[in-house]
Amino acid sequence: NAGVTQTPKFRILKIGQSMTLQCAQDMNHNYMYWYRQDPGMGLKLIYYSVGAGITDKGEVPNGYNVSRSTTEDFPLRLELAAPSQTSVYFCASLGTGLAKNIQYFGAGTRLSVL
Amino acid sequence: KQEVTQIPAALSVPEGENLVLNCSFTDSAIYNLQWFRQDPGKGLTSLLLIQSSQREQTSGRLNASLDKSSGRSTLYIAASQPGDSATYLCVRAAGNKLTFGGGTRVLVKP
Repeated sequence: NAGVTQTPKFRILKIGQSMTLQCAQDMNHNYMYWYRQDPGMGLKLIYYSVGAGITDKGEVPNGYNVSRSTTEDFPLRLELAAPSQTSVYFCASLGTGLAKNIQYFGAGTRLSVL
Repeated sequence: KQEVTQIPAALSVPEGENLVLNCSFTDSAIYNLQWFRQDPGKGLTSLLLIQSSQREQTSGRLNASLDKSSGRSTLYIAASQPGDSATYLCVRAAGNKLTFGGGTRVLVKP
């Protein structure tokens, strides 16, 4: 299993541009999450999904959108990039069965908005 | 509001010393506790998971304990090495709700 895969690893955007951060997991997990981590700060939840077709807002959803058309994929969309969205973004999934409540994280996407 | 607090925020020790990282919670609801390591510019690596019915977990030089009555978890790293330098995060997981601590930045000096 590849686990949780995030692409791209790095990206620089201009203010007002849009982009999609990709996240895919091959572990058949239902729960998936998007977090952002600002320098020197903890992780904050942006959006999460409890299964295909179901998404919900987290702590800091403004400026972002998500979709969950399949169990495997959970893309995060930035429509009008702003400097405040400069951050490192992590995607995660939640294990099931014996791995219940174990978080699996992607390697992160470092985004700069200039 | 549920909060997870990690103390200290930063720690610098000479190589060989034992590390003690603390994590505390504001309530004692049933939950699991997971410790992660984060290296600069990289993602999160899971270190230890303590299920709600457990009191501690051990892996190599790492030992994590959980005291739900006092709302505390402690991560011990024995005989620290420069390669242990990283930020350590504790995460409280109650069902699908995750609450992250602010992390402890650890520097192990050779």
